[in-house]
Amino acid sequence: GIQVEQSPPDLILQEGANSTLRCNFSDSVNNLQWFHQNPWGQLINLFYIPSGTKQNGRLSATTVATERYSLLYISSSQTTDSGVYFCAVDQGAQKLVFGQGTRLTINP
Amino acid sequence: SAVISQKPSRDICQRGTSLTIQCQVDSQVTMMFWYRQQPGQSLTLIATANQGSEATYESGFVIDKFPISRPNLTFSTLTVSNLSPEDSSIYLCSVDGTGRRQFFGPGTRLTVL
Repeated sequence: GIQVEQSPPDLILQEGANSTLRCNFSDSVNNLQWFHQNPWGQLINLFYIPSGTKQNGRLSATTVATERYSLLYISSSQTTDSGVYFCAVDQGAQKLVFGQGTRLTINP
Repeated sequence: SAVISQKPSRDICQRGTSLTIQCQVDSQVTMMFWYRQQPGQSLTLIATANQGSEATYESGFVIDKFPISRPNLTFSTLTVSNLSPEDSSIYLCSVDGTGRRQFFGPGTRLTVL
């Protein structure tokens, strides 16, 4: 099956810093999504981005489908950005395969 | 986006018993999905629940252990049977929403003693 690898596994930053999270996938996909799991366990859908670039406030994402990777950018980090960021790809019939996640800690 | 609720939010169960988790969506959806998140791990798909047909299970998950019901287009249940400590996890349901984005319920945190 398709493999999804995320890097880095852990990231610790000061408030106000910028960060880039990476997601590599082993096969072509027609669906890639980014999620944020907050410290209380709730998964929030950030982006549906099978290709191209999208922006939502301080967050943006870019997927280069031909090279099988996606990047999530977080600018001017806030403590509420802490949590685990997952990318997930569709292995068919909307069944998502998740990467192992990047744990982001933003210190005040 | 869909609004999804799950019951219970958490439970502590004894080994050998079963727990049934409910998932309710505020709109009709064709497919509902059940995922497991073991402690400190990522999410793994258990099964897809379609209304009016048998659930489709992923490799490593069987109906006897994880029976699923889907009585209508807004509701599903997942039962985790014959519990062991290895079943301690967060169980989440999800649905496809607008723009092919998938939305998740708040999860059910299960601890098995």
